[in-house]
Amino acid sequence: DAKTTQPNSMESNEEEPVHLPCNHSTISGTDYIHWYRQLPSQGPEYVIHGLTSNVNNRMASLAIAEDRKSSTLILHRATLRDAAVYYCILRARVGGATNKLIFGTGTLLAVQP
Amino acid sequence: DAGVIQSPRHEVTEMGQEVTLRCKPISGHDYLFWYRQTMMRGLELLIYFNNNVPIDDSGMPEDRFSAKMPNASFSTLKIQPSEPRDSAVYFCASSLSTAGCEKLFFGSGTQLSVL
Repeated sequence: DAKTTQPNSMESNEEEPVHLPCNHSTISGTDYIHWYRQLPSQGPEYVIHGLTSNVNNRMASLAIAEDRKSSTLILHRATLRDAAVYYCILRARVGGATNKLIFGTGTLLAVQP
Repeated sequence: DAGVIQSPRHEVTEMGQEVTLRCKPISGHDYLFWYRQTMMRGLELLIYFNNNVPIDDSGMPEDRFSAKMPNASFSTLKIQPSEPRDSAVYFCASSLSTAGCEKLFFGSGTQLSVL
């Protein structure tokens, strides 16, 4: 399985933008890039995913490098409620028995008031 | 939809006792996953089902763990006998498919403490 590398932790100030990086240099041409986050005492929740183009939704934006070997999750205005562990995960385009969602260690984001 | 529902929210038991964790997936989702989370090992996939059939149980730690899915709306994860090292948060998740674009929906988890 293609691996991802994320910083262990990051800090941000409230109401400022946050850029969470993820390296995936061994990504294949058909892998989707997914982001999940886990708030304290909760299960992981889906944030966003993309394949080649940048993506926006109500929660965040995903910027994908042209060579797809890295991506950045962007929270445009961090709030205290965004403090969580953020996971960057690769999934093959085609489903199947081996296409499991495997979590790494993620980035622990702290948001300061 | 109420989302993925897990019960109990917390379970405290003594070593050697049988523990049963329960999960109700989102209606219409064909895939159900059981994960375990500890500080040391993070989130680990234990087993997953497709249309009530176990597809991959390679993550199940040992024979003391078993999982069933008798119908599309219910799954159990059983530990017998339980041991202190089984203490963890167990999450259930469901999804429509395993396609790369598909997302998983997680329950709130069961915090298991084995004394």
